[in-house]
Amino acid sequence: AQSVTQLDSQVPVFEEAPVELRCNYSSSVSVYLFWYVQYPNQGLQLLLKYLSGSTLVESINGFEAEFNKSQTSFHLRKPSVHISDTAEYFCAVKGGGADGLTFGKGTHLIIQP
Amino acid sequence: GAGVSQSPSNKVTEKGKDVELRCDPISGHTALYWYRQSLGQGLEFLIYFQGNSAPDKSGLPSDRFSAERTGGSVSTLTIQRTQQEDSAVYLCASAWDRATDTQYFGPGTRLTVL
Repeated sequence: AQSVTQLDSQVPVFEEAPVELRCNYSSSVSVYLFWYVQYPNQGLQLLLKYLSGSTLVESINGFEAEFNKSQTSFHLRKPSVHISDTAEYFCAVKGGGADGLTFGKGTHLIIQP
Repeated sequence: GAGVSQSPSNKVTEKGKDVELRCDPISGHTALYWYRQSLGQGLEFLIYFQGNSAPDKSGLPSDRFSAERTGGSVSTLTIQRTQQEDSAVYLCASAWDRATDTQYFGPGTRLTVL
């Protein structure tokens, strides 16, 4: 079985400042890792994913995440946030033959002007 | 093309009634998933279909929950004798197949049990 821990339920940050949303996972087998974003009153959208290969993955809107196997982490970063990045961010893991995704509790990113 | 659609978008029901929630996956997607999102439990995986079959139903919260998929397309999640703790947003997702692992989510059905 897998589990995902998102250490911060809320992260307030000023516009144009950098941000890091933390995600740690637990699994006894190799996993695939995902970040999903849920904008206000919208459905879940895939932001980025790690399946294999380069441990640094990027999204089209400037976010990046790095898979660190030794620390079992997949933290999400952006060097400069915008008001439009205000949303709930979910880290998820899948592996070991599991059918569905195991999600963390989510982190609410609040951008302050 | 069209994304995953779900109906109804909102459902209010009385305790003890049965409800049916519908999911239309992206055309051609063979894998279909149901999740539940609630304040207390976060996002929970319920069940997965590959084609019309669900290999593992152990994620369903109780025997009041059932799901089926017909024609490798539309799926319905049925909750019998609804309870207040069933109140949540029920999300459906689909993927080309289980191996690709990129799941595309629908907007969800918000279920409120009075």
